[in-house]
Amino acid sequence: SYVLTQPPSVSVAPGQTARITCGGNNFRGNSVHWYQQKPGQAPVLVVYVDTDRPSGIPERFSGSKSGNTATLTISRVEAGDEADYYCQVWDSSSEQYVFGTGTQVTVL
Amino acid sequence: QVQLVQSGAEVKKPGASVRVSCKASGYTFISYTIHWVRQAPGQGPEWMGWINAGNVNTKYSQKFQGRLTFTRDTSASTAYMDLRRLTSEDTAVYYCARDSRAAAAYWGQGTLVTVSS
Repeated sequence: SYVLTQPPSVSVAPGQTARITCGGNNFRGNSVHWYQQKPGQAPVLVVYVDTDRPSGIPERFSGSKSGNTATLTISRVEAGDEADYYCQVWDSSSEQYVFGTGTQVTVL
Repeated sequence: QVQLVQSGAEVKKPGASVRVSCKASGYTFISYTIHWVRQAPGQGPEWMGWINAGNVNTKYSQKFQGRLTFTRDTSASTAYMDLRRLTSEDTAVYYCARDSRAAAAYWGQGTLVTVSS
C-alpha cells in the first residue's frame, strides 16, 4: 500500500522556522495537502494542492514539493502552532485518501 | 459558510452497530463528495471511504468491507455512516469531511464512538 513518511517530531524555538517533510513515491503525480490538528479538535487544512493556502490561513504556512519530498514550512513559529501535522494525497489508482504518519511540532 | 455538523457521542457494546450522521450546510450538498475518516486514541487519521452525494457512488476501505455502509438523504443534506459488528478496536473519533480538489477541505466536529462491554 502507498505510504507517506513523516518525521515523528520537530522542535522549534518561537520566531524560528519549522520544516516538516513528507516522503512518497513521487506522490504518483498527485497533489499533496497538509493539515494541522490540535488536541481534541478536528484537523484543519492549512495547505492544499502542494502550495496553496485556504482563506484564513496565515502566510507563515507554506508548502513545496520536489521529487519524492513535500515540505510544509512554518515561518516565525508561534506557541499556537504547536500541534500535530499530517500530509495527505489522493491516490487516484485506489480512489482513496492516504494520510502521512504525522509529525508532532513542539514549540520550545 | 460551509458547515458539517455531526451527531453526538455514542457508547456501544461489542457486536452492536452505530450510525453517525453528518448534516451539511452552506453549499450545494449533491455537488460534493463526503469522506469519512476515523482517528483512534493517540493515532493518526485513518481513511474509511467516501460517498458521492450526487450519484450515490461509494468507495470503502478494504479494511471495513462488509461492515461499513454510507448513505445520504438529499432532502436533509445529511450523510450517514453505519458501522456494524463493533469491537473495541472501533473505539475512535469519527469525522466526516467534504472534499475539494482531492483534499478534506471542511471537517465535521467529530463523533466519539466508544465500544465497551
